[in-house]
Amino acid sequence: ETGVTQSPTHLIKTRGQQVTLRCSSQSGHNTVSWYQQALGQGPQFIFQYYREEENGRGNFPPRFSGLQFPNYSSELNVNALELDDSALYLCASSGRTGNNEQFFGPGTRLTVL
Amino acid sequence: DQQVKQNSPSLSVQEGRISILNCDYTNSMFDYFLWYKKYPAEGPTFLISISSIKDKNEDGRFTVFLNKSAKHLSLHIVPSQPGDSAVYFCAARTEYNFNKFYFGSGTKLNVKP
Repeated sequence: ETGVTQSPTHLIKTRGQQVTLRCSSQSGHNTVSWYQQALGQGPQFIFQYYREEENGRGNFPPRFSGLQFPNYSSELNVNALELDDSALYLCASSGRTGNNEQFFGPGTRLTVL
Repeated sequence: DQQVKQNSPSLSVQEGRISILNCDYTNSMFDYFLWYKKYPAEGPTFLISISSIKDKNEDGRFTVFLNKSAKHLSLHIVPSQPGDSAVYFCAARTEYNFNKFYFGSGTKLNVKP
């Protein structure tokens, strides 16, 4: 059973640029959630994708967008990067039944200069 | 708004003793609570959960207690081991928005040999 993987591991961008982060869900999972974890904080929910549709969104502006593909992998896109977007971005996959735990990937560390 | 709070950023415990990690929440609609453990350079790993219909759940050395009237939960680790040294996050969700998890800011546990 393959776990959740994310790429790249680290990324450095400058203000105003755009970035795409990628996530492959755990085998058998059809739901992917994205979180932003700023330094010293807990993960904050960005949005979730289920069967290629956005299925819930946190308090993040529209420049944060996403996609889910037929194989349930997912992308997080951030446009017009700001310094405060510097954070660890975590992807979590889960099944869709009952009280399902989320299984996290190792994250992508984004630094915006 | 921080609906899940972990007020102790760090905790140091001697090996073999009990570790008690605390978490408070403000949203009375939360009905499911989880604890995650995070090692450096890894994503959070699910540890244990509890439904709001219970007040205790046990799994080996780990026990979670829920006090709904006080809106408080705690994680007990007995006996503590050096390998338990990590950051622990509590998380919660509501029944009507079960895809959105709210995380606390984490408590860094250090178990000394």
